[in-house]
Amino acid sequence: SQTIHQWPATLVQPVGSPLSLECTVEGTSNPNLYWYRQAAGRGLQLLFYSVGIGQISSEVPQNLSASRPQDRQFILSSKKLLLSDSGFYLCAWSGFDEQYFGPGTRLTVT
Amino acid sequence: DQQVKQNSPSLSVQEGRISILNCDYTNSMFDYFLWYKKYPAEGPTFLISISSIKDKNEDGRFTVFLNKSAKHLSLHIVPSQPGDSAVYFCAATGRNGGATNKLIFGTGTLLAVQP
Repeated sequence: SQTIHQWPATLVQPVGSPLSLECTVEGTSNPNLYWYRQAAGRGLQLLFYSVGIGQISSEVPQNLSASRPQDRQFILSSKKLLLSDSGFYLCAWSGFDEQYFGPGTRLTVT
Repeated sequence: DQQVKQNSPSLSVQEGRISILNCDYTNSMFDYFLWYKKYPAEGPTFLISISSIKDKNEDGRFTVFLNKSAKHLSLHIVPSQPGDSAVYFCAATGRNGGATNKLIFGTGTLLAVQP
């Protein structure tokens, strides 16, 4: 069966510091991968998606970036965090229609 | 532009009664709709879906109804249980739009089932 991992589970970072969140998927190959953010009181906002290694599409302009160095690895990064980057970050994969989410990372930028 | 809308941010229901969560969409290209359930500090879990060729899909206590002419769908939970208390997200996608399977999510409805 497929499983999706995210780490770390929680993170507190100062403004201006770098960020790296990692997501890995097991039990499937060539999945579509997604990064979402849920800000306080808001819905799920799609940030990036990837249909293959090295292929990244950005949905919203922001100070974040994503990379897919391996088939089942998806990384969310920032060079300098802003206060507005605080939120709950979710990685997801899809095989066909449904998307399956990881446990999420709670990021607090102070 | 919010293409998927959940206009009720919260809903409170007594245990054993029916919970009805509503969702509206604006994009006529959407042809597949999903409901996700989310507990605090966890990722959303897939609950039930419906294709635009159907108007109803049932799975145990959960039923999703789709009214294409009104661009409206609803999730019915019968009977409601305290463990159903969570945030419910509606999502939509256009499966004929390519290989990306991008989902557009609503803002969620917080369901509280009172014992």
